[in-house]
Amino acid sequence: AQSVTQLDSHVSVSEGTPVLLRCNYSSSYSPSLFWYVQHPNKGLQLLLKYTSAATLVKGINGFEAEFKKSETSFHLTKPSAHMSDAAEYFCVVTSNRDDKIIFGKGTRLHILP
Amino acid sequence: DAGITQSPRHKVTETGTPVTLRCHQTENHRYMYWYRQDPGHGLRLIHYSYGVKDTDKGEVSDGYSVSRSKTEDFLLTLESATSSQTSVYFCAISESGQSYEQYFGPGTRLTVT
Repeated sequence: AQSVTQLDSHVSVSEGTPVLLRCNYSSSYSPSLFWYVQHPNKGLQLLLKYTSAATLVKGINGFEAEFKKSETSFHLTKPSAHMSDAAEYFCVVTSNRDDKIIFGKGTRLHILP
Repeated sequence: DAGITQSPRHKVTETGTPVTLRCHQTENHRYMYWYRQDPGHGLRLIHYSYGVKDTDKGEVSDGYSVSRSKTEDFLLTLESATSSQTSVYFCAISESGQSYEQYFGPGTRLTVT
């Protein structure tokens, strides 16, 4: 069975400060993990993905995530927040062994001026 | 941007009426997906297709049916719309299976009165 938990429904940071969005997963098989971003009234866009290669994954717009198997985590980080990062972020777990695609409930990121 | 369109973009309908949403892609991707997005639930998979005439159920398939007669088109039908099906519906495509990134359409906002 697979599941994904985004530990914070809302995160607020000041512009120019680091961003940390937390994601924990559970999977019976080797997972593929993704982070997607959704700006207001838009569809989702891929930020980055992990599919069993390097554990530190770099994505678009300065975001990166580290796959930690021992902690079953895939947290999303960015060194310096920008106003344009204000959006909702979704962590997703999938597996090639079954057809499940599980989305987290989302974390809304607020950027304070 | 991936070539994915959804129609209609907005629809208001009455309880008990049938509704069909269309997803059209120009990328020739094999997999197509229908999701619904509701506050506090993230995205939940309704149905997906892994080829022409090949479809399978997702986690919230009750009350929905799909058809795929051409690679580029994936239709979602609500047999008899209910107020609980008021939601934003997203179509997505991917080249292959669930470990590949998905590209999302702009969404259809459906209101059932």
